[in-house]
Amino acid sequence: AQSVTQPDIHITVSEGASLELRCNYSYGATPYLFWYVQSPGQGLQLLLKYFSGDTLVQGIKGFEAEFKRSQSSFNLRKPSVHWSDAAEYFCAVGAELTGGGNKLTFGTGTQLKVEL
Amino acid sequence: NAGVTQTPKFRILKIGQSMTLQCTQDMNHNYMYWYRQDPGMGLKLIYYSVGAGITDKGEVPNGYNVSRSTTEDFPLRLELAAPSQTSVYFCASSYTGSGTQYFGPGTRLLVL
Repeated sequence: AQSVTQPDIHITVSEGASLELRCNYSYGATPYLFWYVQSPGQGLQLLLKYFSGDTLVQGIKGFEAEFKRSQSSFNLRKPSVHWSDAAEYFCAVGAELTGGGNKLTFGTGTQLKVEL
Repeated sequence: NAGVTQTPKFRILKIGQSMTLQCTQDMNHNYMYWYRQDPGMGLKLIYYSVGAGITDKGEVPNGYNVSRSTTEDFPLRLELAAPSQTSVYFCASSYTGSGTQYFGPGTRLLVL
């Protein structure tokens, strides 16, 4: 069964500093990988996704992530964090369901705090 | 374009009561999903549907039921509410089976 580990529960960075959020996954086949962001009281918004091809994926809001098969990782990065980036970030791996569709298995999330 | 909408936003139930969480999408997506999110945890799949009239269990289906009579709507039914069902419930939809899932704003449920 697939699983996702986000080892950092909380991260605090200063505005303007770079950011890297870690994500490790376990999945038998080539994974579909996602990063979602959740602001307080809101639903989840997709930042970026990896299905195949180029292992460096660009997303919205200046985020990028790199798929490293050898390390089973899909870390999220941003070169310069803005105060509005404070939110909870979820990494997820997608797996095909027997009846069709795609089950997302989420990590436990990383809460990002941005200091001004 | 409203995307995925959910009602109500918040509800308090007494143990043993029943309720239906509504989910509607206007993107003509075939695939729809229900997840629950418990504090400090990621989302877990409750039920999903690959099209009108077709539903299947996810990871944590016990205590819930679903139906899918139209492409747009995918209601989640709690028959006998229990404290363990206190959670935030998210509905999502996607155009293809492996496609991006778009999430609604969630329903916060408290069972006392």
